[in-house]
Amino acid sequence: GQQVMQIPQYQHVQEGEDFTTYCNSSTTLSNIQWYKQRPGGHPVFLIQLVKSGEVKKQKRLTFQFGEAKKNSSLHITATQTTDVGTYFCAGRKTSGSARQLTFGSGTQLTVLP
Amino acid sequence: DGGITQSPKYLFRKEGQNVTLSCEQNLNHDAMYWYRQDPGQGLRLIYYSQIVNDFQKGDIAEGYSVSREKKESFPLTVTSAQKNPTAFYLCASSFLSLTEAFFGQGTRLTVV
Repeated sequence: GQQVMQIPQYQHVQEGEDFTTYCNSSTTLSNIQWYKQRPGGHPVFLIQLVKSGEVKKQKRLTFQFGEAKKNSSLHITATQTTDVGTYFCAGRKTSGSARQLTFGSGTQLTVLP
Repeated sequence: DGGITQSPKYLFRKEGQNVTLSCEQNLNHDAMYWYRQDPGQGLRLIYYSQIVNDFQKGDIAEGYSVSREKKESFPLTVTSAQKNPTAFYLCASSFLSLTEAFFGQGTRLTVV
């Protein structure tokens, strides 16, 4: 079945440092989504990327979708304590009738003040 | 307010008992999903449904059952056949047009 891998699993940074998490799929994706889950909370949608090579920005967050539509990254510039949480990528398959959303294992970000 | 509601937030059950987790949405979403999350792990898909009276198994369906009798509701039953049921269960819904998924607050199930 479709697999979505995410690295690193954990990341500790000092406040103000940058952070990047990477997502790789075993199959080509129709789109990729990113979610953030605060400690004790539920995942909340951040953004969706659809086009090959697409780059989107949200303030200090930059999202990229690979040319082959099999990988993606999330980069946070100058992290703040409010960035703490687990970041998940989630991909939808292009083939078949299934439209299931497959999540990566997540990257748990800790920001030290 | 529109949204997706899971109940209860915390649930305790004795080993060997079936338990049903509720998920209701008033977002008019076609698709609904159940995920399981274990500590330090990602979300693993249990079941999903794209239309009323139809659903498909996800990656870890064994020991679980679902129904989709109404568009708004997608209850999950954790049966006694599930070997390790203690986990955080998340329900989500979305439109079929590949848009974002909205998640409920989750149900933390503890089996003792």
